[in-house]
Amino acid sequence: ETGVTQSPTHLIKTRGQQVTLRCSSQSGHNTVSWYQQALGQGPQFIFQYYREEENGRGNFPPRFSGLQFPNYSSELNVNALELDDSALYLCASSLGQGTGVGYTFGSGTRLTVV
Amino acid sequence: AQSVTQPDIHITVSEGASLELRCNYSYGATPYLFWYVQSPGQGLQLLLKYFSGDTLVQGIKGFEAEFKRSQSSFNLRKPSVHWSDAAEYFCAGLFSGGYNKLIFGAGTRLAVHP
Repeated sequence: ETGVTQSPTHLIKTRGQQVTLRCSSQSGHNTVSWYQQALGQGPQFIFQYYREEENGRGNFPPRFSGLQFPNYSSELNVNALELDDSALYLCASSLGQGTGVGYTFGSGTRLTVV
Repeated sequence: AQSVTQPDIHITVSEGASLELRCNYSYGATPYLFWYVQSPGQGLQLLLKYFSGDTLVQGIKGFEAEFKRSQSSFNLRKPSVHWSDAAEYFCAGLFSGGYNKLIFGAGTRLAVHP
């Protein structure tokens, strides 16, 4: 059973640029959630995808968008990067929508915006 | 509003001492509750979870947590701390409302003195 894999592990971008982060969900999981963890804070919910559709979104602007593919892998896209977007971005996969059986987290992508 | 609060930002204990990390939630019902641990630069590892039933939950690495409905609390405990337990600990609640969303507390950083 494979875990959740995120790529890249580290990334440096310039303000105003766009970035794409990738996540491969755990085998058998069909729901993917993305979280932003700023330094010294707890993870904040960005959005969730279930069967290729966004079915929940946190308090993040539209320049944060995502995709989920038929194999349940996912992408997080951020446009017009701002300095405050610097954070650890975590992907979590789970089985089903709302079953509450638990989430498996990846090791994250550390994004630095300069 | 749905929220999870961890009142202690930093805690320092001596190796071999007991540990209790506090967590409170705000919700109209009982959410699913989790404790995660995060080592520097790493993703989140699940320590234990509470869904229903027995209010004392056993987890990995010798941790346990007790759910108290009357206090809206889910405190994490360990009888004897090891130096390797130094890390950031996050309490999280899974709240429903159209879709399930995992909400994290701000975290408690644990330091262990030899």
